[in-house]
Amino acid sequence: AQSVTQPDIHITVSEGASLELRCNYSYGATPYLFWYVQSPGQGLQLLLKYFSGDTLVQGIKGFEAEFKRSQSSFNLRKPSVHWSDAAEYFCAVGGGGGSYIPTFGRGTSLIVHP
Amino acid sequence: GAGVSQTPSNKVTEKGKYVELRCDPISGHTALYWYRQSLGQGPEFLIYFQGTGAADDSGLPNDRFFAVRPEGSVSTLKIQRTERGDSAVYLCASSPGPQDNEQFFGPGTRLTVL
Repeated sequence: AQSVTQPDIHITVSEGASLELRCNYSYGATPYLFWYVQSPGQGLQLLLKYFSGDTLVQGIKGFEAEFKRSQSSFNLRKPSVHWSDAAEYFCAVGGGGGSYIPTFGRGTSLIVHP
Repeated sequence: GAGVSQTPSNKVTEKGKYVELRCDPISGHTALYWYRQSLGQGPEFLIYFQGTGAADDSGLPNDRFFAVRPEGSVSTLKIQRTERGDSAVYLCASSPGPQDNEQFFGPGTRLTVL
């Protein structure tokens, strides 16, 4: 069965600092990997996704993530955080088959200090 | 264009009552998903529709939960004999087709069972 672990429940950074959110997955084959962001009262928005190819994936809002098969990780990074990045971040893993139903991690809450 | 919409945004009901939650997907999207998100958790898959049929309902927790999509567009999630443990945010997502991996999420319906 596929699963996702986001080990950090909360992360606090100062505005302008760099950010890395951790994600580890378990999946039997080559996974499809996603990062979503959820702001209060909003639906989830896709930041980026990895299916194959280049293991460094660029997303929206200046985010990137790197797929490391040897570590079963797909960590999300941003070089300089803005106050508007404060939100809940979810990593998800999905696989092949017709539905591509993802399994989500429990999320990491990002707090940005001015 | 319009995104995924869900109504109502909030629903408060009493234990034992019946509720219906509605999802309007993005026009033309054939795939539709329902998720449940409890406090402090990531979205948990409930059911997936491809067109009018439920292609995967393995996430429905029990037979009190049912969903329909009679014309392949709007979907309704129905919960009978609600219990306090059903309190959560119910998210709907749609995607252009079964082979497309990007899901577009609605803002959710917050269900509170008293």
